[in-house]
Amino acid sequence: DVKVTQSSRYLVKRTGEKVFLECVQDMDHENMFWYRQDPGLGLRLIYFSYDVKMKEKGDIPEGYSVSREKKERFSLILESASTNQTSMYLCASSTPGQGVYIQYFGAGTRLSVL
Amino acid sequence: EDQVTQSPEALRLQEGESSSLNCSYTVSGLRGLFWYRQDPGKGPEFLFTLYSAGEEKEKERLKATLTKKESFLHITAPKPEDSATYLCAVQDNNDMRFGAGTRLTVKP
Repeated sequence: DVKVTQSSRYLVKRTGEKVFLECVQDMDHENMFWYRQDPGLGLRLIYFSYDVKMKEKGDIPEGYSVSREKKERFSLILESASTNQTSMYLCASSTPGQGVYIQYFGAGTRLSVL
Repeated sequence: EDQVTQSPEALRLQEGESSSLNCSYTVSGLRGLFWYRQDPGKGPEFLFTLYSAGEEKEKERLKATLTKKESFLHITAPKPEDSATYLCAVQDNNDMRFGAGTRLTVKP
């Protein structure tokens, strides 16, 4: 079974703090993704990475950065947390299969910024 | 712009009352349509991939179908443990778009 592990289930941070969300996958997948999920808005892509040290902006990259130093690990960084970044953050990984990308998700990190 | 719309937003059923969830989409070139189940406080769990119109997939009480404009997730004789949010996602070339989900509640 594919396993995607997010380092924290719940986080509470203060405005202006630098926040690190970590994600590790154990299936040697090339692609990794960070989404945020808000009620009524569905999943919105923040960043994705298709290889080590490679990254691409998603739909809502402002206020975020990412790091992928190793294939199995993809980190999301909130440079200076703000209250509007309070959300559920989901990490996913995938490998291309016949050109179709099935994404497998971690359990999520619920971040509250006070 | 690619769009994925799920309806209804929420659905309440009695145990054993069959129904369907809808996912309509507008994309320029469908590569695959995905259904996920998400339990409260957890990440989405992959259920099905559909690749082309006319295709069907089944898993226990769930059956997913696909046309050129929409997909249905049919739930036959649901049980309370089927209560969850069901997400639809569409891959268009390299982009993946998710719908907002349908929150299903099945009462005993």
